[in-house]
Amino acid sequence: QVQLQESGPGLVKPSETLSLTCTVSGGSISSYYWSWIRQPPGKGLEWIGYIYYSGSTNYNPSLKSRVTISVDTSKNQFSLKLSSVTAADTAVYYCARLARHAVGNWFDPWGQGTLVTVSS
Amino acid sequence: SSELTQDPAVSVALGQTVRITCQGDSLRSYYASWYQQKPGQAPVLVIYGKNNRPSGIPDRFSGSSSGNTASLTITGAQAEDEADYYCNSRDSSGNHDVVFGGGTKLTVL
Repeated sequence: QVQLQESGPGLVKPSETLSLTCTVSGGSISSYYWSWIRQPPGKGLEWIGYIYYSGSTNYNPSLKSRVTISVDTSKNQFSLKLSSVTAADTAVYYCARLARHAVGNWFDPWGQGTLVTVSS
Repeated sequence: SSELTQDPAVSVALGQTVRITCQGDSLRSYYASWYQQKPGQAPVLVIYGKNNRPSGIPDRFSGSSSGNTASLTITGAQAEDEADYYCNSRDSSGNHDVVFGGGTKLTVL
């Protein structure tokens, strides 16, 4: 079955750019939507954005000015860049496959998540 | 508006039935999906669409919807069902496209 794995630095300095990659295994990245979601310690889930395998994107308006999601179909990977980070961006970052339909959407499967701490 | 509202905490006696609710304007147009998250683990999809369970999810989990409220029902709650539960939907306002509820902490007594 499809599995997702996040990778990237666990510590980022304030004002720098957070960069994460999600590797998809057990299936093709093509013909699906792929998303990033984060969860600050002790808090709820926040959708960051998604990308279609063709490259079209949609971002959470609250993060849109700082977020870029890209896809590399040759590597079966998609990536997240979040610029000008602050301590408020400290969170567990998850990647997930998004099923987007006329009746609703759902995320399945999810990666295990990776904790990114913003600190000097 | 782009919000889904959940009760912060709900409790249920072992073996009893519990309903976890999610309210929001977008639920008048779209079905909610539901996720179970245990401490230190990634969320797991338990209900999607009208009332569909992914493979491996016990049939004691079910979903329903009425007006602006979606519900996740656990019939015969087990100790292993103690977790945080999140609802999610598309956003009918068109701005967010994806919206999550704040989560409900379920305690099985």
